[in-house]
Amino acid sequence: SQTIHQWPATLVQPVGSPLSLECTVEGTSNPNLYWYRQAAGRGLQLLFYSVGIGQISSEVPQNLSASRPQDRQFILSSKKLLLSDSGFYLCAWSAAGASQPQHFGDGTRLSIL
Amino acid sequence: GENVEQHPSTLSVQEGDSAVIKCTYSDSASNYFPWYKQELGKGPQLIIDIRSNVGEKKDQRIAVTLNKTAKHFSLHITETQPEDSAVYFCAARPSSNTGKLIFGQGTTLQVKP
Repeated sequence: SQTIHQWPATLVQPVGSPLSLECTVEGTSNPNLYWYRQAAGRGLQLLFYSVGIGQISSEVPQNLSASRPQDRQFILSSKKLLLSDSGFYLCAWSAAGASQPQHFGDGTRLSIL
Repeated sequence: GENVEQHPSTLSVQEGDSAVIKCTYSDSASNYFPWYKQELGKGPQLIIDIRSNVGEKKDQRIAVTLNKTAKHFSLHITETQPEDSAVYFCAARPSSNTGKLIFGQGTTLQVKP
């Protein structure tokens, strides 16, 4: 069966520090991968999605970037964190194709001090 | 682009009663509508989904209805139990091959024992 892993589960970082969040998927090949941010009490905002290695689409202008160095690895990064980057970051995967369900990891709670 | 509105934002019911959550979408070409349940500190879990060629789908105590003409879809939970308490999100997939989802703002469901 397919599984998705995100780490770390929680992270506290100072303003201006770099960020790297990792997501890996097991049990499937060539998945679509997604990064979402969820602000407290709000819905999910799509940040990036990828349909293949090295293929990244950005949905909103921001201080973050994403990379997909391997088929089942998706990384969310920042060179210098802002206070506004605080939130709950979720990675998701779906099988390739338009009508495949998305499955989420358990997220990373990021707090910027 | 697609926009999804979800109501109500909070819902409180007595155990055993039914709960209904409604969503409307703006893009008539949207063709896939999943519902997610999110428990505290966890990622959203897919509970049921429906495609645009179907009007209703049921899975035990959970059902989803879709009205393409009116562009709205609803989640129905019957015989609610305390463990149904969570935040529920609807989503819509605009017609594309990327698999992107647009989420509603969420409904916090409280089932009182």
